[in-house]
Amino acid sequence: DAKTTQPNSMESNEEEPVHLPCNHSTISGTDYIHWYRQLPSQGPEYVIHGLTSNVNNRMASLAIAEDRKSSTLILHRATLRDAAVYYCILSRGSQGNLIFGKGTKLSVKP
Amino acid sequence: DTAVSQTPKYLVTQMGNDKSIKCEQNLGHDTMYWYKQDSKKFLKIMFSYNNKELIINETVPNRFSPKSPDKAHLNLHINSLELGDSAVYFCASSQASSGRFAYEQYFGPGTRLTVT
Repeated sequence: DAKTTQPNSMESNEEEPVHLPCNHSTISGTDYIHWYRQLPSQGPEYVIHGLTSNVNNRMASLAIAEDRKSSTLILHRATLRDAAVYYCILSRGSQGNLIFGKGTKLSVKP
Repeated sequence: DTAVSQTPKYLVTQMGNDKSIKCEQNLGHDTMYWYKQDSKKFLKIMFSYNNKELIINETVPNRFSPKSPDKAHLNLHINSLELGDSAVYFCASSQASSGRFAYEQYFGPGTRLTVT
């Protein structure tokens, strides 16, 4: 399974944009890029996923590099509720299993 | 309306006992999963069921047996519990993955299992 590399932790100020990077240099052509987050004492929560093109939804935006070897999750205005561990995950298109890494712990300061 | 629910939320038991964790989803999904999150917070998939059939069985001791009575339920039964089984267990569900498409997974709130 292709692996991802993320910073261990990041800090942000409330109401500022946050860019969470992820490197996946061994990604294959059929691998999807998923982002999940886990708030303290809760189950993981889906954020966004994409294959090749940039994606937007109500929670965030996903910017995928042209060579697909890296991606960035963008939270447009961080809130205190966004403090969580964010996981960048690759999965093969026809397989549902997600391989979670260590993720990035995002702290949001008021 | 809880999409994916698990019972119990907390489970404390002694070594050697047999216990079950129940999971139900009301999303109409065909695929359900069990994940284990250990004390270091690593989340690892254990099993995946698609329409009541096992499709993924990662390296998990055979003391762990998933049971799917219907596609809305995936229960996890654990025999002869060991100290190392202490963890948080998450159930999840998704639409069936097929072809090139990947679907988001919805996770339950987790069951914290403590084996003493």
